[in-house]
Amino acid sequence: DIQMTQSPSSLSASVGDRVTITCRASRTFSNYLNWFQQKPGKAPKLLIYAASSLQSGVPSRFSGSGSGTDFTLTISRLQPEDFATYYCQQSYSSPWTFGQGTKVEIQ
Amino acid sequence: QVQLVESGGGMVQPGGSLRLSCAASGFTFRTYGMHWVRQAPGKGLEWVAVISYDGSHKYYADSVTGRFTISRDNSKNTLYLQMSSLRAEDTAVYFCAKDPAGLALAGYFDYWGQGTLVSVSS
Repeated sequence: DIQMTQSPSSLSASVGDRVTITCRASRTFSNYLNWFQQKPGKAPKLLIYAASSLQSGVPSRFSGSGSGTDFTLTISRLQPEDFATYYCQQSYSSPWTFGQGTKVEIQ
Repeated sequence: QVQLVESGGGMVQPGGSLRLSCAASGFTFRTYGMHWVRQAPGKGLEWVAVISYDGSHKYYADSVTGRFTISRDNSKNTLYLQMSSLRAEDTAVYFCAKDPAGLALAGYFDYWGQGTLVSVSS
């Protein structure tokens, strides 16, 4: 199975900050990497697919990059509604696996 | 718009069985693969199972293989998860989720239901 490791596990930030979350895979693959946002008590929401493609309806302040084993989710200017937990997920091979999550909290 | 509505969750004793359902609408259900993903209380996300658009291909996480069965009824636009030999560690919110690739499997999830809670306890 491919292990996905996110860093940091949590971070504190202020509205307007630039936030970067990193995801590392235990095996290399091209761009089969997706990012999800989850708010408490809600279902996850797809933000980014294929490492850098923005899902329809997602604000452009979200962006993704990377290839191989190292991937990044960036929020350019953090908004109040962005405080949530973020997960990366590999879609390269079954079983499809998630990172452990990064909780973005208000500073 | 795409809607996925899970039902069938509840409390069950260890060793028991439960069947979850997911009613789909707003898209051509019979042309998309569908997944189940679960989340234990306070924990991260774990992919559980997937079924191809026509039901001909099914894959499972090792943790549920031999105990859970995924199925679908395309005439009813409904996805199912039959769970048996349930264990305490199966306690989780179970989400159904749509695969974005028609007729194939992309292996990720573009729409999710709201989830249904399964609690396994004596």
